[in-house]
Amino acid sequence: QLQLQESGPGLVKPSETLSLTCTVSGGSISSSDYNWGWIRQPPGKGLEWIGSIYYTGSTFYNPSLNSRVTMSVDTSKNQFSLKLYSVTAADTAVYYCARHPLLLVAATGWGYDAFDIWGQGTLVTVSS
Amino acid sequence: SELTQDPAVSVALGQTVRITCQGDNLRSYYASWYQQKPGQAPVLVIFGENNRPSGIPDRFSGSSSGNTASLTITGAQAEDEADYYCNSRDTSVSRNVFGTGTKLTVL
Repeated sequence: QLQLQESGPGLVKPSETLSLTCTVSGGSISSSDYNWGWIRQPPGKGLEWIGSIYYTGSTFYNPSLNSRVTMSVDTSKNQFSLKLYSVTAADTAVYYCARHPLLLVAATGWGYDAFDIWGQGTLVTVSS
Repeated sequence: SELTQDPAVSVALGQTVRITCQGDNLRSYYASWYQQKPGQAPVLVIFGENNRPSGIPDRFSGSSSGNTASLTITGAQAEDEADYYCNSRDTSVSRNVFGTGTKLTVL
């Protein structure tokens, strides 16, 4: 079955760049049915969507982070990546990657999507 | 646009509980719902109009009315004690937003 695994440094210095990779196994990242997303959760707080990427490289980001985020995809390695620039202590969080099916339309005409498969998450601490 | 949830809800074992999520997005987009237990990744429990992924018990159901989405647990079990988050697209379509989260206690 499909699995996702985050990897990257657990400690990043303030003002530097946070870089994480998500490796997809048990399925292809090049499926036309899915985006691939990043979500984070500061300690003791709620979930925040960071952004999502399609296998072609098309991206959409949370406007609150848009100026500091870049996502990319490497279909040859079945991986997608996150870069968050100029980090501060407020960026300390558990970072999750997740499969994000394309927006669908129900018979009612309403749209819907979801994050249906998640990685286990990786804690990134921003500290000097 | 934000999604607002009650911070905490409690339910007696075996009883029914409804967890709500309010936001303007929810007038045209269904919410998805996630269960998160301590130290674990979130798990999708409801998506679309009222769909459960494989392996999710049928005591979990979803509904929508106006600007409010609801997750109902009929016959709550001790293992349902967890944090629950809603999520939806916002009205600009290309952005997702999570709710503020609800801590469910099963008494």
